[in-house]
Amino acid sequence: GAVVSQHPSRVICKSGTSVKIECRSLDFQATTMFWYRQFPKQSLMLMATSNEGSKATYEQGVEKDKFLINHASLTLSTLTVTSAHPEDSSFYICSATLAEPQETQYFGPGTRLLVL
Amino acid sequence: RKEVEQDPGPFNVPEGATVAFNCTYSNSASQSFFWYRQDCRKEPKLLMSVYSSGNEDGRFTAQLNRASQYISLLIRDSKLSDSATYLCVVKSGSARQLTFGSGTQLTVLP
Repeated sequence: GAVVSQHPSRVICKSGTSVKIECRSLDFQATTMFWYRQFPKQSLMLMATSNEGSKATYEQGVEKDKFLINHASLTLSTLTVTSAHPEDSSFYICSATLAEPQETQYFGPGTRLLVL
Repeated sequence: RKEVEQDPGPFNVPEGATVAFNCTYSNSASQSFFWYRQDCRKEPKLLMSVYSSGNEDGRFTAQLNRASQYISLLIRDSKLSDSATYLCVVKSGSARQLTFGSGTQLTVLP
């Protein structure tokens, strides 16, 4: 099946620092990648849709200046959490779309962020 | 009302039992339906797509009732390794985003 990687798998940082998370589709080209956030015991919440070569589309309530998304190539999207605060601590997961079947989304292994 | 609703469980069943999960969705224009499983502290993995005619994959059977906007997943002869959270997922309209239910937790007991 399609493979999506994320790096880093976990990060601990001080409040106020910025953290960059990479999402790569390893064996296919993904024109669209998605970024999700999952808090403990809750489901995945879509943050933004990332299209290669264009600006990301953010979901309501997600600050685009805080969560910077860059989709520079068909295999790489990055999410930068700027000036992270403890409330940003969460499990961040990306997914990439494979056109068939039914535009299945394949998920990366996730990045666990802890902001102290 | 949530777009995708699931019974959160938990469901605790003995090995070999049959267990069924239900899910309802609010957007009648939804087009694609999936079941994902998520293990603790891991990413979701696609379990199976759900087709209008119903479909089966080994011990797993998925059903879709468009009139009632209802999706189900049946697991037969449950194994210890089936313990996970099962996520009902819906894709609506021309958007490519997925909407996730909050998940149903299953624990299969020895």
